[in-house]
Amino acid sequence: NAGVTQTPKFQVLKTGQSMTLQCAQDMNHEYMSWYRQDPGMGLRLIHYSVGAGITDQGEVPNGYNVSRSTTEDFPLRLLSAAPSQTSVYFCASSYGDPYYGYTFGSGTRLTVV
Amino acid sequence: DAKTTQPNSMESNEEEPVHLPCNHSTISGTDYIHWYRQLPSQGPEYVIHGLTSNVNNRMASLAIAEDRKSSTLILHRATLRDAAVYYCILPMNRDDKIIFGKGTRLHILP
Repeated sequence: NAGVTQTPKFQVLKTGQSMTLQCAQDMNHEYMSWYRQDPGMGLRLIHYSVGAGITDQGEVPNGYNVSRSTTEDFPLRLLSAAPSQTSVYFCASSYGDPYYGYTFGSGTRLTVV
Repeated sequence: DAKTTQPNSMESNEEEPVHLPCNHSTISGTDYIHWYRQLPSQGPEYVIHGLTSNVNNRMASLAIAEDRKSSTLILHRATLRDAAVYYCILPMNRDDKIIFGKGTRLHILP
């Protein structure tokens, strides 16, 4: 089924560990974004990409790295996990035209202990 | 960038229509109005969008004020499955970035 696929769905990390959250879409969307959602809060934009090779920072980029080597994939890297990064992470993609809506993945629930 | 204002929460009875308001008084002439919703424990999903004219789809209707400074998402017959947080968003034209506000938490009473 066409859509945005996020892996893993759940992850527990120890403080200081690194990991990569995977995001892939098969809709040939140019734009991809990462959001985090803390308990009871709204979504905040971490990083986004307007096409392969182009990324930019969102509202809360510190502690996260991204790269976009292909149109399909947009991984999010946590370099040294901290308890403050405990959150649910959502990836989204779109055609990059406000005429079209975004498609969101089902999320990765990350706990840093 | 244009901002939106929504009530924090609303309640409605099951099987009745629901009107969710959104104010966007600083909207520009080319800003689309998008609505998303987030069901419990799920990612956001696109609901509907419009520019100037009222819009209908299988999920909802979007009524846009003539001056475009406000809009209303209409769920014609709410069900318990419509309980969610509804977000009114104006995507940024220069890069289609979408920034979420707090949205409106809709409670449906059986």
